[in-house]
Amino acid sequence: ETGVTQTPRHLVMGMTNKKSLKCEQHLGHNAMYWYKQSAKKPLELMFVYNFKEQTENNSVPSRFSPECPNSSHLFLHLHTLQPEDSALYLCASSQLWTGRSEQYFGPGTRLTVT
Amino acid sequence: AQKVTQAQTEISVVEKEDVTLDCVYETRDTTYYLFWYKQPPSGELVFLIRRNSFDEQNEISGRYSWNFQKSTSSFNFTITASQVVDSAVYFCALTPGSNYQLIWGAGTKLIIKP
Repeated sequence: ETGVTQTPRHLVMGMTNKKSLKCEQHLGHNAMYWYKQSAKKPLELMFVYNFKEQTENNSVPSRFSPECPNSSHLFLHLHTLQPEDSALYLCASSQLWTGRSEQYFGPGTRLTVT
Repeated sequence: AQKVTQAQTEISVVEKEDVTLDCVYETRDTTYYLFWYKQPPSGELVFLIRRNSFDEQNEISGRYSWNFQKSTSSFNFTITASQVVDSAVYFCALTPGSNYQLIWGAGTKLIIKP
């Protein structure tokens, strides 16, 4: 595997389900990110991890719970979601977390909450 | 205020035409970084270029070129002899030196017709 991988690519879940999104980067980077991309809205940064420590949490509802066990893996645990949480969830990584490094993105998970 | 404006929501041109995507940014910082990303229909954002505020040299990479002008706070992107494969959403982004978060523009959807 190369670059940034995300699984699953598509997910349909009910509002009472619990599911997890997985991201893995094979670039040796130190920072990882979760973004939410909704139709007709700017890209929204959700969480930033630097050396597996969370450095940013942009007022994300607690029904989204990130986990970063090491610099290569990032999870987003989902529970009790709302229909408005349906979106494309993108994972990214970069060498530095300071925003000065370019970010490399995975293909995203298309989430539909029913 | 710190923001990125991509005023062109959607552009449609015929293949082989040249096209310029506009990006205007706002920041009071003297040090900052600018980026362009491409998001093809597959969903994965692809890094295209990074520029820091001290490097105003224009950049050319094949059919792609970027014009950075601090005087007008613009970082425009031109595709020469466009091809159908260039069809994508293009995002301009800014990292101010005083803030580590990437600030994204709303994106410009580029449609290249055969």
